[in-house]
Amino acid sequence: DIQMTQSPSSVSASVGDRVTITCRASQGITSWLAWYQQKPGKAPKVLIYPASSLQSGVPSRFSGSGFGTDFTLTISSLQPEDFATYYCQQASSFPPTFGPGTKVDMK
Amino acid sequence: QVQLQESGPGLVKPSQTLSLTCTVSGGSISSGNYYWSWIRQHPGKGLEWIGYIYYSGSTFYNPSLKSRLTISVDTSQNQFSLKVTSVTAADTAVYFCARDLGNPGYFDLWGRGTLVTVSS
Repeated sequence: DIQMTQSPSSVSASVGDRVTITCRASQGITSWLAWYQQKPGKAPKVLIYPASSLQSGVPSRFSGSGFGTDFTLTISSLQPEDFATYYCQQASSFPPTFGPGTKVDMK
Repeated sequence: QVQLQESGPGLVKPSQTLSLTCTVSGGSISSGNYYWSWIRQHPGKGLEWIGYIYYSGSTFYNPSLKSRLTISVDTSQNQFSLKVTSVTAADTAVYFCARDLGNPGYFDLWGRGTLVTVSS
């Protein structure tokens, strides 16, 4: 299985801050990477797939980049509704695997 | 719009079989564009893909769970189902059904999730 790691595991930030989350795959996955946002008690919501393509309806303050093994999710100006946990997921090979998550909470 | 809804018992005894159903509404499960997946999330933990089914009945399972899994589809009812045999406390999790856009792919629609607790 391809192992996905994320850093940091948590980040404390304020409204308006720029937040960057890193995801690393244990082997190359080209651009087959998705980013999800999950709020407590809710299902994950896809933000980006593949690596840099914003899904329909997702605010433009979210952006993704990367190729191969190293990827980033950036929130350019954090909004109150962005406090959540973010997961990356590789879709390059079976089984699809997720990162352990990065929790973005209020400073 | 298309919606997914999980249903099934919230409590299962150890060694018994966990059974869940996902009902798809607002669209046909027989659309050839999608796969239909089960994903679980252990309490306070990350996400684990369990397996998927295509409307034709073809399946792909996570090797870590494969020996205990059955995923089936009922196109007449627009539903797909999950069975996990010989459950233990380690199977306690929130189970999500999701629409899968690839092979493998990513998950663009999710059910709300249902908590299944394995306990005597």
